[in-house]
Amino acid sequence: SSELTQDPAVSVALGQTVKITCQGDSLRSFYTSWYQQKPGQAPILVIYNKNNRPSGIPDRFSGSNSGDTASLTITGAQAEDEADYYCNSRDTSGDHVIFGGGTKLTVL
Amino acid sequence: VQLVESGGDFVQPGRSLRLSCEASGFIFNDYAMHWVRQPPGKGLEWVARISWRGADIGYAASVKGRFTVSRDNAKRSLYLQMNSLRPEDTALYYCVRGSGTFDIWGRGTMVIVSS
Repeated sequence: SSELTQDPAVSVALGQTVKITCQGDSLRSFYTSWYQQKPGQAPILVIYNKNNRPSGIPDRFSGSNSGDTASLTITGAQAEDEADYYCNSRDTSGDHVIFGGGTKLTVL
Repeated sequence: VQLVESGGDFVQPGRSLRLSCEASGFIFNDYAMHWVRQPPGKGLEWVARISWRGADIGYAASVKGRFTVSRDNAKRSLYLQMNSLRPEDTALYYCVRGSGTFDIWGRGTMVIVSS
């Protein structure tokens, strides 16, 4: 399979916990990374290799995997977390990189 | 650590364009590099990759046979030669560092293909 599926939009109340999911057959074999993109900006890496955070990314961001689904969890969402979130991994052949369609997160 | 793209332009369908990306702040030839694009208002699409030495190259099906990725490690630069451009190639093109995890992104250069 060469697709990663994400919910187009998710909302969360300020301070609450939200989970953004990414589903695809290749996730059974390859790690997932997550990117945050705010309007007019380039994406930034927030989670890599399932559950590792680059320096500077708050520890309220975490990742997990179960079978063919990867998840990005924001524990205690802040207003500044409102953004588009993309997952990526490799396709089932391992030869190509693929992205999910993105999830627009709204913090209410 | 920085990636700066250039070369984006407004071109007619069927024409060619060459994008460049200049790297600074890290050892360029230690890393694989990629091009990722984003059409206006849409999501991210991986375009091409090239290994640190240039021996391993891959393309998305949508650009294979039309686009060519290359690099010059001495100049710390990545390139994307785009031929036979189509309106659907209109996008912001990002230069990205990484092997599958993309940890450094440029700000992008805009390509518009239209008659």
